Amino acid sequence: KAGVTQTPRYLIKTRGQQVTLSCSPISGHRSVSWYQQTPGQGLQFLFEYFSETQRNKGNFPGRFSGRQFSNSRSEMNVSTLELGDSALYLCASSLGTSGRSTGELFFGEGSRLTVL
Amino acid sequence: AQSVTQLGSHVSVSEGALVLLRCNYSSSVPPYLFWYVQYPNQGLQLLLKYTSAATLVKGINGFEAEFKKSETSFHLTKPSAHMSDAAEYFCAVSNTDKLIFGTGTRLQVFP
Repeated sequence: KAGVTQTPRYLIKTRGQQVTLSCSPISGHRSVSWYQQTPGQGLQFLFEYFSETQRNKGNFPGRFSGRQFSNSRSEMNVSTLELGDSALYLCASSLGTSGRSTGELFFGEGSRLTVL
Repeated sequence: AQSVTQLGSHVSVSEGALVLLRCNYSSSVPPYLFWYVQYPNQGLQLLLKYTSAATLVKGINGFEAEFKKSETSFHLTKPSAHMSDAAEYFCAVSNTDKLIFGTGTRLQVFP
């Protein structure tokens, strides 16, 4: 069974540019969550999508957005990049049944974004 | 609001020694608690979880954790460390539809 696939694995952008990251969840998983990981802030929740709808959102500015397609694949976009956006962006998928999270998230290896 | 606090950002042990990684939680409802591990240049992997069943939870790679309500703790232990256990470990609590992670503890294992 293939795991969670994130592309690209590494990318370098300059301030002011925008970036799109892609995540393909495990087959059959309908929920996709995104996290930002930085040395200073640790793991911070960005948003979660379930059946093409944003079900939960973290405390990030509107420059951070996402979407989910009918095949459960997800993309996140960051516009007007800032130096502080440099981070490892992790995608995680789960079955995503309703109710309290059982916590069984399956993570991809992440997309490492460097903003110069 | 729910949160977790991991005591000690770095822990060093000798190979064969006991591993103890500390996690305390705060939750207004009975918590679901988790430990994840992250190896270098990889994503996170679930080690074990507590969801109100047995208080002593066994996970992969010989790790276990004990839920102690009176101490609001969920410490991770392993009787004998291996070099391959070197990684970063994250404690997390479930908040309805998302996980809230602690700041992580980096485990170093010396030969």
